[in-house]
Amino acid sequence: LAKTTQPISMDSYEGQEVNITCSHNNIATNDYITWYQQFPSQGPRFIIQGYKTKVTNEVASLFIPADRKSSTLSLPRVSLSDTAVYYCLVGVSTITSGGGADGLTFGKGTHLIIQP
Amino acid sequence: NAGVTQTPKFRVLKTGQSMTLLCAQDMNHEYMYWYRQDPGMGLRLIHYSVGEGTTAKGEVPDGYNVSRLKKQNFLLGLESAAPSQTSVYFCASRSDRAAIRRDQPQHFGDGTRLSIL
Repeated sequence: LAKTTQPISMDSYEGQEVNITCSHNNIATNDYITWYQQFPSQGPRFIIQGYKTKVTNEVASLFIPADRKSSTLSLPRVSLSDTAVYYCLVGVSTITSGGGADGLTFGKGTHLIIQP
Repeated sequence: NAGVTQTPKFRVLKTGQSMTLLCAQDMNHEYMYWYRQDPGMGLRLIHYSVGEGTTAKGEVPDGYNVSRLKKQNFLLGLESAAPSQTSVYFCASRSDRAAIRRDQPQHFGDGTRLSIL
């Protein structure tokens, strides 16, 4: 599984757009990029996933450049409730490639703090 | 639809005691996982299962055993608890829909907070 690097922490203010960038220089051809969000005392929650270019859902957007060595999670107009730890993960479901099971590698994530 | 349910939510053990953490999912997922999360750290994979009756070691398996006797349940056992196993334990599950060429996201429970004195 590809290793990822993301900032330890970020601060922003309500109503701002927040962009969290993740580096994954050794991403493999079959790897997808997935972001999870974790609130205190809760398990991680899936936010968004992408393979290339741009993906958007009701929560966030994910921008992936052509070389796929990095990705940026964009949270539009954040609120206080967006304060959480955000994890960037890169990997492939080995069952789709005929292998055994996988296990996601979670780094320390980015602790996003939103202030009033 | 409860998703992934972990029991108990909290537990305090003495060194040397044993216990079993239960994870149950109602989404008919093939894959199930046990992670531990220590303060200020990300999640580390302990064991996982690709289906009923199968288990495999993850990144930090020592001191733990698992069983998947039923598809919907994944049990994590501590035979002789040690203070180093004080942590928050998360269970997760995901679909194995290989027809869709993408990673199926994992669905997590809310954790079991375990303290070993």
